[in-house]
This record gives sequence, structure tokens and C-alpha cells, in this order.
Amino acid sequence: DTAVSQTPKYLVTQMGNDKSIKCEQNLGHDTMYWYKQDSKKFLKIMFSYNNKELIINETVPNRFSPKSPDKAHLNLHINSLELGDSAVYFCASSQGGRGLGQPQHFGDGTRLSIL
Amino acid sequence: GIQVEQSPPDLILQEGANSTLRCNFSDSVNNLQWFHQNPWGQLINLFYIPSGTKQNGRLSATTVATERYSLLYISSSQTTDSGVYFCAVPQYGNKLVFGAGTILRVKS
Repeated sequence: DTAVSQTPKYLVTQMGNDKSIKCEQNLGHDTMYWYKQDSKKFLKIMFSYNNKELIINETVPNRFSPKSPDKAHLNLHINSLELGDSAVYFCASSQGGRGLGQPQHFGDGTRLSIL
Repeated sequence: GIQVEQSPPDLILQEGANSTLRCNFSDSVNNLQWFHQNPWGQLINLFYIPSGTKQNGRLSATTVATERYSLLYISSSQTTDSGVYFCAVPQYGNKLVFGAGTILRVKS
């Protein structure tokens, strides 16, 4: 009974393509996040949504567009993929994302490789 | 913004040994999380520990918020403990700021 699930787990594609990663949580949380882990394992926030409203947009190129159709889903669409986009992307969720709230729970990650 | 520093960056242990990982942060925080990233890349929640001490099996964590550090203790290490250990603290909007991690390798 997965709490935060991401699909796909692996994504291999050519430079210049457009791709999407989907995330769903069944924890009843009101806030969802996207993080990027680079090749040196460093983890950094990209976006957060609270009740479908964008809260954090951490200077991410506008080729990345998050979409939250409801508070249980947060998808990430990436246009015109570049080599530097190769990374592992993690989705997370928590309750109370407008303040300094509760612990975050992470999905298993999506490993994106750009050829 | 807040700085989060972890030490040591790398650690090699013989199975059965104990270890202490440290996380220092540059500003006051009202909570802190420890994660284990296993060799398959999954980020596993270990502790949510704004202050005090918590224990879970062979692992325990202590946060001293007034002195801006947290410690993760691993006792009787096993090969399955290998991986990367991260601490993270929340900033505005509850975004987590992560340390660079401690890479742990436990040898049998």
C-alpha cells in the first residue's frame, strides 16, 4: 500500500523531447513537493503545492511546469529536455505546507537519463 | 539561507561496529528529519526529531536545538545499513534544506 508513488521509475529519452513524471499520495496530505537529486547526491527543492496552489518555485527553468489537478496528485512536465536535466526526481508530501509543518514522506524517485 | 553541514562525509565500518553521524545547522529550527538513502535509491524516513532523543531499534537520534546540532547513532552496524544518510531542516513553505550526506559503507 504505497504512500507516495511516482511513475515512471526510470525514464530514458533524447535531448529536446518533452516528458512527464506523475506523483500520487494516499496519505491525505495537503502539500506536495518535487525535489531534484543531482549526480553528487545533493537534494534540492524545486516546487511545492499546498491544496493545489503553488507555494514554492525555487528558480527552476520555466521548461519545468508542475501541475496539481487535486491535492493528492502533483505531476511534473519537462519541455525541451537538456543533458543537465539528467537526475533523480523525488516527489514528497506532508501536512501543513504553508508553515513549518509535519515530516515529509518521499516517493521512490524517478531516474531521468538524457541521451 | 540556512546552512546544513554533515560529518563525516564518508565512513567505512566493519560489521558490528558503532558509529555517530553529525548534522550541524546554522540557524534555529523547529524540526529536523533524518533519512537513509539505500543502495536502490529509496529515501527512507528514519526520524522526525525537533528536539530530544528518539530510538528505533539499533538507531537513535538526538537533537540539541539550542546548540544547533543533531546526532544519529548506529549501533551494531549491519551491511544493510550501507547507503547515504541525510539530515534535513525545513525553511519557509516547509521546504526541506538537506545536508550533503554521509556515505556509509559497512563491510562484512
